[in-house]
Amino acid sequence: GEDVEQSLFLSVREGDSSVINCTYTDSSSTYLYWYKQEPGAGLQLLTYIFSNMDMKQDQRLTVLLNKKDKHLSLRIADTQTGDSAIYFCADNLFFGTGTRLTVIP
Amino acid sequence: GAVVSQHPSRVICKSGTSVKIECRSLDFQATTMFWYRQFPKKSLMLMATSNEGSKATYEQGVEKDKFLINHASLTLSTLTVTSAHPEDSSFYICSARDVQDRGSYEQYFGPGTRLTVT
Repeated sequence: GEDVEQSLFLSVREGDSSVINCTYTDSSSTYLYWYKQEPGAGLQLLTYIFSNMDMKQDQRLTVLLNKKDKHLSLRIADTQTGDSAIYFCADNLFFGTGTRLTVIP
Repeated sequence: GAVVSQHPSRVICKSGTSVKIECRSLDFQATTMFWYRQFPKKSLMLMATSNEGSKATYEQGVEKDKFLINHASLTLSTLTVTSAHPEDSSFYICSARDVQDRGSYEQYFGPGTRLTVT
């Protein structure tokens, strides 16, 4: 079946950029997604990218897609303490393990 | 934005009993809802796809007789964990797609239900 993988943890200092990486196996997806899960809350869609795009920028968020390598990344510029959460990449209905981002003040 | 609610948010039940979890789309209609199970430090696992007015489609390895899904209306899907056992303890999350959203296939997630079976 579909396999989506992420590293489990990432720590960055406030003000630095965060880069969260994800690899997936299904090459037929039309969209790929990034979700954010804050403690005690449901998942919220952060951004998504259409599969024929290489990059999408949305304010502090930049999504890069390397379709050949099946690699997706999420870059958060000027990371703030409020960005601390678990970030999931998703290939349609299949989710990665989530990366817990900790922002150090 | 679109809101999905789940009820209850937490439930504790005794082993052998059944528990029903509700998922509602509050301000949109959802022909399709999804049920996930989230394990600690692991990914969300898709359990089943719930289609309004028809039988749910279960993922491989998910017992349909144990996890009963009913999608009775365009705004409500229920998951019933039958004869619950401690290993069923988990965080169950539902999501829904708006029938109007024909572009991004965005899912709107509920806040989850923490089930503890004693």
